[in-house]
Parts: sequence; structure tokens; C-alpha cells
Amino acid sequence: DAGVTQSPTHLIKTRGQHVTLRCSPISGHKSVSWYQQVLGQGPQFIFQYYEKEERGRGNFPDRFSARQFPNYSSELNVNALLLGDSALYLCASSRDVDQPQHFGDGTRLSIL
Amino acid sequence: EDKVVQSPLSLVVHEGDTVTLNCSYEVTNFRSLLWYKQEKKAPTFLFMLTSSGIEKKSGRLSSILDKKELFSILNITATQTGDSAIYLCAVETGANSKLTFGKGITLSVRP
Repeated sequence: DAGVTQSPTHLIKTRGQHVTLRCSPISGHKSVSWYQQVLGQGPQFIFQYYEKEERGRGNFPDRFSARQFPNYSSELNVNALLLGDSALYLCASSRDVDQPQHFGDGTRLSIL
Repeated sequence: EDKVVQSPLSLVVHEGDTVTLNCSYEVTNFRSLLWYKQEKKAPTFLFMLTSSGIEKKSGRLSSILDKKELFSILNITATQTGDSAIYLCAVETGANSKLTFGKGITLSVRP
């Protein structure tokens, strides 16, 4: 079975631009979560979606938004990019909300 | 605010040594504690612990949770160079199963 797949793997943007990151969960997984990981830190929770509804949001500004599609894939959008948004963005999926989350390889976003 | 603290932040051992990695937490609405191994990119799931005192084992790795003292340990016996990685502890909380991570422990295993 394919694991969690994320695209693109790397992205370079400039300040003020916007970006869309994509995630396909493991087949049969209905929950998708997004995390931001900066160097030297553990991942920080951004959003969780379950059955296409937002179930949780972390301490991130409104420039961050996400959605989940009927096939359970998900997009993370970030507007008005800042230098501090440079990070590894990880997507995780789980079969249900009380099951372990499995991570994709992430999208490395660099802001110049 | 939910808090997860891992210690030590880094350690260097030789092949064959046994290591113990620590994770303590202060959270509201605890659901479970998870351990992940992160090498280059994706954190890889190791264990999910929900009950106190029940050891989970997978090969040379084992983990246990103490919900009274609010901590967990991850043990690795007979370490190998392939165990070199960052080990992340995360606590799952609330109805939305949000994971709060510690900073991670960087383990280096020397031949």
C-alpha cells in the first residue's frame, strides 16, 4: 500500500506570494492533519480534517487555510508568505481519530 | 498550554549499548502518547501507548507509559548504527486528536 504522499517535495517562493501544498492520505484513511516543522524543533500542529470537516486548528494566523476533498486528499494554503514560514510541512493521515497518525515525507518550503 | 519535554536532547553511544529516552508531559485531555523515529524526512511511527504500565515491544525497541507520573520511556537495546535518528515523542489530546510534540532526541550510534 502506498504511504502518505505529498507534493511538491521542494518549493521556493518569495515574500508575499502564496503557496498550495497537497497531500494524499493512505488508502482508507479518513483523517488528515498538517504540521509545520522548523529546524531543531518537533512538528507543530496546524490543522486536522476528518470526513471533510475541520476538527482542529493550531496557533497559526489566518493566512493559513486548508481543506479536505471527497476523496480525503487535502490542500494546505498559505497566503502572504513571510520569511518565517520557511519550514518542512508534514501531512499525516490516520484511519480514524483514535488511530496512530502516519506521516508523509513533507514539502520543504523556502521563502526568499 | 500543552507541553511535552524530552531528555536528553542528544546523546552519542557505541554500537551494542542500551539507551533510554525520556518523555514527560503536561497536557489537558490526554488520549495517547506516541513515539516516532525521524531520519531524513517522514517521522516513522514506532509505538502508541494509551494504558499505564503495559510495555509495548518491537524487536530491540520497547516503550512504557506512566500516566500517574506523566512520562514515558523508549528503550533501545543492542543499538546499531541504523538506529541513529531523531526520536520524537508526541501526546495526542482532545477530540481532534491533535499531536503535541517534544523537540526530539538526536541519537548517534557510533560503530
